[in-house]
Amino acid sequence: GQQLNQSPQSMFIQEGEDVSMNCTSSSIFNTWLWYKQDPGEGPVLLIALYKAGELTSNGRLTAQFGITRKDSFLNISASIPSDVGIYFCAGQLRDYKLSFGAGTTVTVRA
Amino acid sequence: EAGVVQSPRYKIIEKKQPVAFWCNPISGHNTLYWYRQNLGQGPELLIRYENEEAVDDSQLPKDRFSAERLKGVDSTLKIQPAELGDSAVYLCASSFPRTARLLAGTYQETQYFGPGTRLLVL
Repeated sequence: GQQLNQSPQSMFIQEGEDVSMNCTSSSIFNTWLWYKQDPGEGPVLLIALYKAGELTSNGRLTAQFGITRKDSFLNISASIPSDVGIYFCAGQLRDYKLSFGAGTTVTVRA
Repeated sequence: EAGVVQSPRYKIIEKKQPVAFWCNPISGHNTLYWYRQNLGQGPELLIRYENEEAVDDSQLPKDRFSAERLKGVDSTLKIQPAELGDSAVYLCASSFPRTARLLAGTYQETQYFGPGTRLLVL
């Protein structure tokens, strides 16, 4: 399958900080999706992007579909403790096939 | 509205034993998917159903894995016999019928995931 490179692999946050993560691919996609997975749960869709250059917000989350269609980023503003978890990007070229990144693990800094 | 339901949530078995996972999709979702998620990785598709028909099982290891969705609603994924490398989270997802998902001239399926079954093979 297509390889998605997600970075950083992990990060530590302090409450109130802004968080940024990104995803790159060697292939183009028509849709970029960002999911969050809490421990012991399945991935939950946060944001879906359908058009190159599109910038979409969902509360404190903002994501962009890269112009080249080969990358996307997710920003979380003013992080709170419940933002901890694993964030996955997924690219979708057509129809139903999703290619997932390996995830960015967000942890609260002690 | 109830989400995707999966059971059991956890399963520990010895290698060479059989195991089965059950999934009930969101009501009205005719498309159902089974994914496997290895530790530290994103989910990977095993099989996709439209109603009772398996329309994509190209990634399903058919020597030991099987799946069924006899009435086009709930589904069962089975492994027989299980191997150590099968330890993973098995996720079920569902999505709306194709006619409800037309977007910009192409069909895009938004998939909703269940909580998963965490399998440990000893």
